[in-house]
Amino acid sequence: KAGVTQTPRYLIKTRGQQVTLSCSPISGHRSVSWYQQTPGQGLQFLFEYFSETQRNKGNFPGRFSGRQFSNSRSEMNVSTLELGDSALYLCASSPGTALTELFFGEGSRLTVL
Amino acid sequence: GENVEQHPSTLSVQEGDSAVIKCTYSDSASNYFPWYKQELGKGPQLIIDIRSNVGEKKDQRIAVTLNKTAKHFSLHITETQPEDSAVYFCAAVEAAGNKLTFGGGTRVLVKP
Repeated sequence: KAGVTQTPRYLIKTRGQQVTLSCSPISGHRSVSWYQQTPGQGLQFLFEYFSETQRNKGNFPGRFSGRQFSNSRSEMNVSTLELGDSALYLCASSPGTALTELFFGEGSRLTVL
Repeated sequence: GENVEQHPSTLSVQEGDSAVIKCTYSDSASNYFPWYKQELGKGPQLIIDIRSNVGEKKDQRIAVTLNKTAKHFSLHITETQPEDSAVYFCAAVEAAGNKLTFGGGTRVLVKP
């Protein structure tokens, strides 16, 4: 069974640009959640989707958004990039209806110059 | 919202010794407490979890204990091995909604 796949793995952007990251969950998993990992702030919850509906959102500005498609694949978008957005963005999928038994992808490392 | 504190931030142990990581949480409504292990260049991996109706859970060399009254939970690794070297994160899931809060992480180094 394939794991959680995130693309791209690495990307470099400049301030003011926008970026879209993609996540394909494990087959059969309907819950997808996103996290930002930085050395200073650690792992922070961004948002969670289940059956195309955002069920919860962390404390991030509106520049951070996401969506989930009918096949459970998810994308997150960050607009008007700032230097502080440089981070590892992790996606996780779950077999249940809650944020339990998360399976993480290897992340998309974003560098903002 | 929930706040999870994790200690220590770094832990160095000799191979074969035990390692203990402690976490405290603030929201008494949290009811699920997972532990994740993150190796270099990889995403976190669930290693053990405990629910609020259980006080202790063990899986081979790994055990987790939960004290609901004091709102703290701990990870115990016995007979540590070099492959246990990684960053470990505790977390708490709020019962009110699907939101997961991580602790700050503990970098564990097992010296051979």
